[in-house]
Amino acid sequence: AQTVTQSQPEMSVQEAETVTLSCTYDTSESDYYLFWYKQPPSRQMILVIRQEAYKQQNATENRFSVNFQKAAKSFSLKISDSQLGDAAMYFCAYRSGGGADGLTFGKGTHLIIQP
Amino acid sequence: NAGVTQTPKFRVLKTGQSMTLLCAQDMNHEYMYWYRQDPGMGLRLIHYSVGEGTTAKGEVPDGYNVSRLKKQNFLLGLESAAPSQTSVYFCASSDSFNQPQHFGDGTRLSIL
Repeated sequence: AQTVTQSQPEMSVQEAETVTLSCTYDTSESDYYLFWYKQPPSRQMILVIRQEAYKQQNATENRFSVNFQKAAKSFSLKISDSQLGDAAMYFCAYRSGGGADGLTFGKGTHLIIQP
Repeated sequence: NAGVTQTPKFRVLKTGQSMTLLCAQDMNHEYMYWYRQDPGMGLRLIHYSVGEGTTAKGEVPDGYNVSRLKKQNFLLGLESAAPSQTSVYFCASSDSFNQPQHFGDGTRLSIL
């Protein structure tokens, strides 16, 4: 079974600064997908960014980018120019490329934005 | 466009009672999922469905049953609620297995 580990229960960053959230995963598969989801206090699960394992290029969505290191099984999220609205729980998630079963989530990182 | 709608949003049950959580999606998605989220944990998969009339077990299926009689609806049932099932339940759907999942707003369920 796959596992996803987020080693930082909580991170704090000053507004407008850059922060990186860590995620490692364990799998024997070669085809898979990785995701970062944001969960604000409203409890919604919001997709931030997605990475296909077969793509070497790191995904980017506006201020959000990832550093995908396939050999190291690492998938970190970088948030540039942090904003107060970025404050939330962030979850890293894994999905097998070969099957229909759901996502495997890490335990999350609570991101605090200091004004 | 409502997306994924969960009913109810909040419920309190007594131990031993039964109830059904309803998930409805209007995106014509084939795949639907039920997760639970406990404090300090990420979401864990309970059951999922790859199409109308199909269901399969996820990571934590014990104590739950599901049905997918219509493509747009995925029901999660608790036959005899236990305090350990106190959690926030999320439904999600996706167009195919390699597409991102769209989540509902969650149902907070407390069992006394």
